[in-house]
Amino acid sequence: EAAVTQSPRSKVAVTGGKVTLSCHQTNNHDYMYWYRQDTGHGLRLIHYSYVADSTEKGDIPDGYKASRPSQENFSLILELASLSQTAVYFCASTTGTGGAEQYFGPGTRLTVL
Amino acid sequence: LAKTTQPPSMEAYEGQEVNVSCSHTNIATSEYIYWYRQVPHQGPQFIIQGYKDYVVNEVASLFISADRKLSTLSLPWVSLRDAAVYYCIVTSNMGYKLTFGTGTSLLVDP
Repeated sequence: EAAVTQSPRSKVAVTGGKVTLSCHQTNNHDYMYWYRQDTGHGLRLIHYSYVADSTEKGDIPDGYKASRPSQENFSLILELASLSQTAVYFCASTTGTGGAEQYFGPGTRLTVL
Repeated sequence: LAKTTQPPSMEAYEGQEVNVSCSHTNIATSEYIYWYRQVPHQGPQFIIQGYKDYVVNEVASLFISADRKLSTLSLPWVSLRDAAVYYCIVTSNMGYKLTFGTGTSLLVDP
Protein backbone atom coordinates (compact mmCIF):
# COMPACT_ATOMS: atom_id res chain seq x y z
CA GLU A 1 0.00 0.00 0.00
CA ALA A 2 1.43 3.35 -1.08
CA ALA A 3 2.11 5.74 1.76
CA VAL A 4 1.92 9.50 1.38
CA THR A 5 2.18 11.66 4.46
CA GLN A 6 1.64 15.37 4.83
CA SER A 7 2.63 17.89 7.45
CA PRO A 8 1.25 19.78 9.12
CA ARG A 9 -2.26 18.33 9.13
CA SER A 10 -3.70 21.73 9.86
CA LYS A 11 -2.35 25.22 10.01
CA VAL A 12 -3.55 28.72 10.72
CA ALA A 13 -1.58 31.44 8.94
CA VAL A 14 -1.78 35.21 8.80
CA THR A 15 -2.34 37.13 5.61
CA GLY A 16 0.98 38.02 4.03
CA GLY A 17 2.88 35.36 5.89
CA LYS A 18 4.89 32.52 4.39
CA VAL A 19 3.52 29.00 4.54
CA THR A 20 5.25 25.77 3.64
CA LEU A 21 3.34 22.52 3.30
CA SER A 22 5.33 19.31 3.16
CA CYS A 23 4.68 15.95 1.54
CA HIS A 24 6.65 12.72 1.87
CA GLN A 25 6.17 9.44 0.05
CA THR A 26 7.94 6.17 0.74
CA ASN A 27 7.10 4.21 -2.38
CA ASN A 28 9.73 5.28 -4.85
CA HIS A 29 7.19 7.06 -7.02
CA ASP A 30 8.46 9.40 -9.72
CA TYR A 31 5.42 11.68 -9.98
CA MET A 32 4.13 13.90 -7.19
CA TYR A 33 1.26 16.39 -7.19
CA TRP A 34 -0.24 19.19 -5.14
CA TYR A 35 -3.99 19.83 -5.29
CA ARG A 36 -6.27 22.18 -3.43
CA GLN A 37 -9.89 21.52 -2.57
CA ASP A 38 -12.38 24.19 -1.64
CA THR A 39 -15.46 23.27 0.30
CA GLY A 40 -17.98 21.48 -1.87
CA HIS A 41 -15.73 21.32 -4.89
CA GLY A 42 -13.43 18.88 -6.59
CA LEU A 43 -9.66 18.99 -6.44
CA ARG A 44 -7.64 21.36 -8.62
CA LEU A 45 -4.03 20.77 -9.63
CA ILE A 46 -1.52 23.41 -8.48
CA HIS A 47 1.91 22.00 -9.29
CA TYR A 48 3.39 18.63 -10.07
CA SER A 49 6.79 17.05 -10.55
CA TYR A 50 8.06 13.99 -12.36
CA VAL A 51 11.67 14.12 -11.21
CA ALA A 52 13.68 15.58 -8.34
CA ASP A 53 14.78 19.21 -8.73
CA SER A 54 12.10 19.89 -11.34
CA THR A 55 8.52 21.11 -11.01
CA GLU A 56 5.74 21.87 -13.46
CA LYS A 57 2.78 24.22 -13.29
CA GLY A 58 -0.64 22.73 -12.98
CA ASP A 59 -3.96 24.39 -13.65
CA ILE A 60 -3.88 27.00 -10.85
CA PRO A 61 -0.22 27.79 -10.05
CA ASP A 62 -0.56 31.52 -9.32
CA GLY A 63 0.40 32.39 -5.76
CA TYR A 64 2.16 29.05 -5.19
CA LYS A 65 5.65 27.71 -5.61
CA ALA A 66 6.76 24.11 -5.41
CA SER A 67 10.01 22.39 -4.53
CA ARG A 68 11.09 18.80 -5.13
CA PRO A 69 14.47 18.41 -3.38
CA SER A 70 14.39 14.62 -3.55
CA GLN A 71 12.27 11.86 -4.99
CA GLU A 72 10.53 11.38 -1.65
CA ASN A 73 9.76 15.00 -0.76
CA PHE A 74 7.60 17.64 -2.40
CA SER A 75 6.79 20.99 -0.80
CA LEU A 76 4.22 23.64 -1.58
CA ILE A 77 5.17 27.20 -0.68
CA LEU A 78 2.88 30.16 -0.26
CA GLU A 79 5.22 33.16 -0.13
CA LEU A 80 2.48 35.67 0.70
CA ALA A 81 -0.55 33.84 2.00
CA SER A 82 -3.92 35.33 1.16
CA LEU A 83 -7.45 34.77 2.42
CA SER A 84 -8.36 33.11 -0.89
CA GLN A 85 -5.82 30.37 -0.24
CA THR A 86 -7.83 28.98 2.63
CA ALA A 87 -8.52 25.41 1.53
CA VAL A 88 -7.57 21.79 2.07
CA TYR A 89 -4.39 20.81 0.29
CA PHE A 90 -3.71 17.27 -0.89
CA CYS A 91 -0.48 15.74 -2.02
CA ALA A 92 -0.43 12.67 -4.26
CA SER A 93 2.06 10.43 -5.99
CA THR A 94 2.11 7.87 -8.76
CA THR A 95 4.66 5.60 -10.33
CA GLY A 96 4.47 7.13 -13.78
CA THR A 97 3.89 3.75 -15.34
CA GLY A 98 0.71 1.78 -15.73
CA GLY A 99 -1.65 4.71 -15.65
CA ALA A 100 -2.84 7.59 -13.49
CA GLU A 101 -3.56 5.69 -10.30
CA GLN A 102 -2.57 8.29 -7.75
CA TYR A 103 -2.12 7.75 -4.05
CA PHE A 104 -3.26 10.68 -1.93
CA GLY A 105 -2.15 11.93 1.44
CA PRO A 106 -4.57 12.79 4.24
CA GLY A 107 -4.62 16.49 3.43
CA THR A 108 -3.61 19.71 5.18
CA ARG A 109 -6.33 22.11 6.24
CA LEU A 110 -4.99 25.64 5.82
CA THR A 111 -6.82 28.63 7.23
CA VAL A 112 -5.52 32.08 6.36
CA LEU A 113 -6.74 34.87 8.62
CA LEU B 1 -16.45 22.58 -21.61
CA ALA B 2 -16.61 19.95 -18.89
CA LYS B 3 -14.92 16.71 -19.84
CA THR B 4 -17.30 14.58 -17.79
CA THR B 5 -20.89 14.84 -16.63
CA GLN B 6 -22.20 12.93 -13.62
CA PRO B 7 -25.39 13.09 -11.60
CA PRO B 8 -24.75 15.37 -8.61
CA SER B 9 -26.20 12.97 -6.07
CA MET B 10 -27.62 9.49 -5.57
CA GLU B 11 -29.17 7.64 -2.68
CA ALA B 12 -29.34 3.91 -1.95
CA TYR B 13 -30.05 1.48 0.84
CA GLU B 14 -27.46 -0.79 2.32
CA GLY B 15 -27.17 -4.02 0.36
CA GLN B 16 -28.30 -2.53 -2.91
CA GLU B 17 -26.25 -2.40 -6.08
CA VAL B 18 -25.46 1.16 -7.14
CA ASN B 19 -24.69 2.26 -10.68
CA VAL B 20 -23.10 5.68 -11.16
CA SER B 21 -23.08 6.96 -14.70
CA CYS B 22 -20.61 9.29 -16.36
CA SER B 23 -20.89 10.94 -19.75
CA HIS B 24 -17.68 11.84 -21.59
CA THR B 25 -18.83 12.64 -25.09
CA ASN B 26 -15.54 14.22 -26.19
CA ILE B 27 -13.21 11.52 -24.95
CA ALA B 28 -10.08 11.22 -27.06
CA THR B 29 -8.59 7.97 -28.27
CA SER B 30 -5.59 8.56 -25.99
CA GLU B 31 -7.69 8.98 -22.88
CA TYR B 32 -8.58 6.47 -20.21
CA ILE B 33 -11.40 6.52 -17.69
CA TYR B 34 -10.66 6.56 -13.99
CA TRP B 35 -12.94 6.44 -10.99
CA TYR B 36 -11.99 7.73 -7.57
CA ARG B 37 -13.96 8.20 -4.40
CA GLN B 38 -13.51 10.54 -1.49
CA VAL B 39 -14.96 10.09 1.95
CA PRO B 40 -15.17 13.16 4.19
CA HIS B 41 -11.89 14.41 5.63
CA GLN B 42 -9.77 12.07 3.51
CA GLY B 43 -7.96 12.23 0.20
CA PRO B 44 -9.45 10.61 -2.89
CA GLN B 45 -8.91 6.90 -3.34
CA PHE B 46 -8.53 5.11 -6.65
CA ILE B 47 -11.27 2.61 -7.44
CA ILE B 48 -10.89 1.38 -10.99
CA GLN B 49 -9.70 2.35 -14.46
CA GLY B 50 -10.57 1.28 -17.97
CA TYR B 51 -10.25 2.03 -21.65
CA LYS B 52 -13.04 0.02 -23.23
CA ASP B 53 -15.51 -2.81 -22.63
CA TYR B 54 -15.73 -4.15 -19.10
CA VAL B 55 -13.33 -4.10 -16.17
CA VAL B 56 -13.83 -5.66 -12.77
CA ASN B 57 -11.80 -5.73 -9.58
CA GLU B 58 -12.44 -6.67 -5.98
CA VAL B 59 -14.18 -3.36 -5.24
CA ALA B 60 -16.22 -2.46 -8.30
CA SER B 61 -16.91 -3.02 -11.96
CA LEU B 62 -16.75 -0.58 -14.81
CA PHE B 63 -18.74 -0.80 -18.01
CA ILE B 64 -17.73 1.39 -20.95
CA SER B 65 -20.02 1.81 -23.92
CA ALA B 66 -18.85 0.74 -27.35
CA ASP B 67 -18.34 4.35 -28.48
CA ARG B 68 -16.62 5.12 -25.14
CA LYS B 69 -18.86 8.12 -24.53
CA LEU B 70 -20.52 6.67 -21.46
CA SER B 71 -19.23 4.69 -18.53
CA THR B 72 -20.97 3.20 -15.53
CA LEU B 73 -19.38 2.38 -12.22
CA SER B 74 -21.15 -0.46 -10.45
CA LEU B 75 -20.84 -0.98 -6.70
CA PRO B 76 -22.32 -4.26 -5.51
CA TRP B 77 -23.88 -4.53 -2.07
CA VAL B 78 -23.16 -1.00 -0.83
CA SER B 79 -22.64 -0.39 2.86
CA LEU B 80 -22.59 2.76 4.95
CA ARG B 81 -18.85 2.93 4.35
CA ASP B 82 -19.49 3.46 0.64
CA ALA B 83 -21.06 6.85 1.31
CA ALA B 84 -18.67 9.20 -0.48
CA VAL B 85 -18.24 11.47 -3.45
CA TYR B 86 -17.46 9.49 -6.59
CA TYR B 87 -15.40 11.15 -9.31
CA CYS B 88 -15.23 10.09 -12.93
CA ILE B 89 -12.09 11.35 -14.64
CA VAL B 90 -10.87 11.01 -18.19
CA THR B 91 -7.23 11.65 -18.88
CA SER B 92 -4.41 10.66 -21.13
CA ASN B 93 -1.27 9.34 -19.55
CA MET B 94 0.67 12.52 -20.35
CA GLY B 95 1.85 13.59 -16.92
CA TYR B 96 -0.82 11.35 -15.41
CA LYS B 97 -2.66 14.48 -14.33
CA LEU B 98 -6.17 14.27 -12.97
CA THR B 99 -8.90 16.87 -13.42
CA PHE B 100 -11.64 16.50 -10.84
CA GLY B 101 -15.18 17.67 -11.39
CA THR B 102 -17.75 17.95 -8.63
CA GLY B 103 -18.50 14.23 -8.68
CA THR B 104 -21.53 12.27 -7.51
CA SER B 105 -22.37 12.32 -3.83
CA LEU B 106 -23.65 8.91 -2.79
CA LEU B 107 -25.80 8.73 0.32
CA VAL B 108 -26.34 5.26 1.80
CA ASP B 109 -29.26 4.68 4.13
CA PRO B 110 -29.37 1.84 6.66
